[in-house]
Amino acid sequence: DAKTTQPNSMESNEEEPVHLPCNHSTISGTDYIHWYRQLPSQGPEYVIHGLTSNVNNRMASLAIAEDRKSSTLILHRATLRDAAVYYCILRVGAGSYQLTFGKGTKLSVIP
Amino acid sequence: DGGITQSPKYLFRKEGQNVTLSCEQNLNHDAMYWYRQDPGQGLRLIYYSQIVNDFQKGDIAEGYSVSREKKESFPLTVTSAQKNPTAFYLCASSNLRTGGITNEKLFFGSGTQLSVL
Repeated sequence: DAKTTQPNSMESNEEEPVHLPCNHSTISGTDYIHWYRQLPSQGPEYVIHGLTSNVNNRMASLAIAEDRKSSTLILHRATLRDAAVYYCILRVGAGSYQLTFGKGTKLSVIP
Repeated sequence: DGGITQSPKYLFRKEGQNVTLSCEQNLNHDAMYWYRQDPGQGLRLIYYSQIVNDFQKGDIAEGYSVSREKKESFPLTVTSAQKNPTAFYLCASSNLRTGGITNEKLFFGSGTQLSVL
């Protein structure tokens, strides 16, 4: 899988929006951008994914740069339950089942 | 409720012992995966299986073995050949039929913490 770069950690105040960045400068045209998050002592859970257009769901929004070399996961109002490690992953378009999770960004939410 | 069940939650291994981690899913998913997570690190793929009676090695398969005799079950055995087995083990499944690999969403269990005595 192609490589992604994320900050090691971020902080946010409760009830404020959070923008989690991800750089993926070597992305190819068929790679999908996936986000997962992992709460302490739990397995990761799917958050959102997209290819080119911005995506919204009940958990978050995904903003993808026009050149697709970066993306941003947006949590519109952070809650204490959003404190987790967030992983940005590129899903190769053809043939690879090896979804690679890097170290991700540890998000702390301050009450 | 549909989901993935891993057991036990905590497991201890003695020197030279093989131990088996259980993973069961009732989501009717074709694909199943095993990942290993070390403290402060990301997940590394051990083995994966796309269909019953077939499985493939991931990045760190040495010292591990799996079987896939039933669609619902994908047990992982940590053998005595795995010299550093202490880690958090995560099982996942996905339904590859809904949109193919690029739209695949993984569903994870709650993990098994394996420690060496």
